[in-house]
Formats: sequence, C-alpha cells, structure tokens
Amino acid sequence: AQSVTQPDIHITVSEGASLELRCNYSYGATPYLFWYVQSPGQGLQLLLKYFSGDTLVQGIKGFEAEFKRSQSSFNLRKPSVHWSDAAEYFCAVAPTNAGGTSYGKLTFGQGTILTVHP
Amino acid sequence: ETGVTQSPTHLIKTRGQQVTLRCSSQSGHNTVSWYQQALGQGPQFIFQYYREEENGRGNFPPRFSGLQFPNYSSELNVNALELDDSALYLCASSFDWQPYNEQFFGPGTRLTVL
Repeated sequence: AQSVTQPDIHITVSEGASLELRCNYSYGATPYLFWYVQSPGQGLQLLLKYFSGDTLVQGIKGFEAEFKRSQSSFNLRKPSVHWSDAAEYFCAVAPTNAGGTSYGKLTFGQGTILTVHP
Repeated sequence: ETGVTQSPTHLIKTRGQQVTLRCSSQSGHNTVSWYQQALGQGPQFIFQYYREEENGRGNFPPRFSGLQFPNYSSELNVNALELDDSALYLCASSFDWQPYNEQFFGPGTRLTVL
C-alpha cells in the first residue's frame, strides 16, 4: 500500500546539536517530496521540496534534506538546532504516475515532534 | 499581500448538526485544498478545488462537500456531524493544482463535535 512513514514520533535534542528526522515512502514511482513545519496554533509552513535533479535540497531556516532512491527515504537535517526550531515536522508526498504526472494531492506522514533543550 | 485566512477559528457543534467552514485564498491563487488533521495525526487530504471545480477527492464520505467561489475563496461543508469529525481543518491555496506550486496553509479551524 502507498504510505509515508515517519518512524520517530518524538525527538529531543540539545540546542546546538545536529538533527536528523527520518521519512520513508512507499510508492511505485518516485513521488514529489516535501517537508513542512507546524508550530502550535500555526498553519503548516513549507521548509523544502524535491521534484528531481540534485538529491540534496536546501530549504529555509538552515534545513536540508537528502533524497535516497535506493532507500525510499527523504530525511531532513539541520547541523545546529536552535530553540525556535521546536515544533512538529511533517514529511509529505504528492504521488506521481508512471509518466511522472502528479495531481497535487499531498499525503502526510504522522509527524515528528521536536523538543529542544537549552 | 494577505495570506490564507480561515473562519471561524474555533467551533463547537453537536452530533448530527451541520457545519460550514470558510477559507480565503491568497491573492493570485486559483486552487484551494482542504485537509483534516485529527489530534496527533498528520493532515489528511479531503478535496481540492481548481477554478470552481472539484479537482480530486480523498477518502472522505459524501457528507463532506465543498464549494469554490468566483473569487476563489472556498467553503467546506460537513453534514450529519460525527464525534470523529472533531479535528483541525486546514485549507491551503496555491497558484494552480500543479504540485510544484507551493501550497500555503491557513491557521485552521478547530472543530469540536460533542
């Protein structure tokens, strides 16, 4: 079945430490891939996206993500976490067909809550 | 430039009632997508409207319906409310339906069904 999995429900890191949030997908064709962040009381904000090309994608707020086709993964990373990064992070995909066409419907993972200790 | 707005912010209804949620899209955007986010879950796609026509629907029953108006604002209607409909309802607008166009999300409407 098609799915998006974020294996870690909750991650705690110290401020200044590095961060990696995991995302795995299960789709026939490589989907379009996204990471969103949601702060309490806020809507979702797009951090970065991958459609094709360079598998290392740079986003806003110092985040990056790497697409690994062989592992069906799209993990989010940040070299040094700030207290303001505490939020919930969602991986999302827009499925594509064999021809690479997608219709914009986003399927989200369950989310990873990030807590940052001072 | 005004972002995506949603109204109301919070809403409490009882089982069996009907509810209408509203979304104003960002200027220049003709596509609105609606998502349901249950507590502790990721958002689930309900449906998308593109230029006033439904352009895709997720796995939601027909009692979830929508409209998009000529100014591209949108409504989500839910009939015969059930307890499980309690959730945060998010709308997102985009330049068009293509996934490479960023979906900009509103802050959501928190619906509680008692």
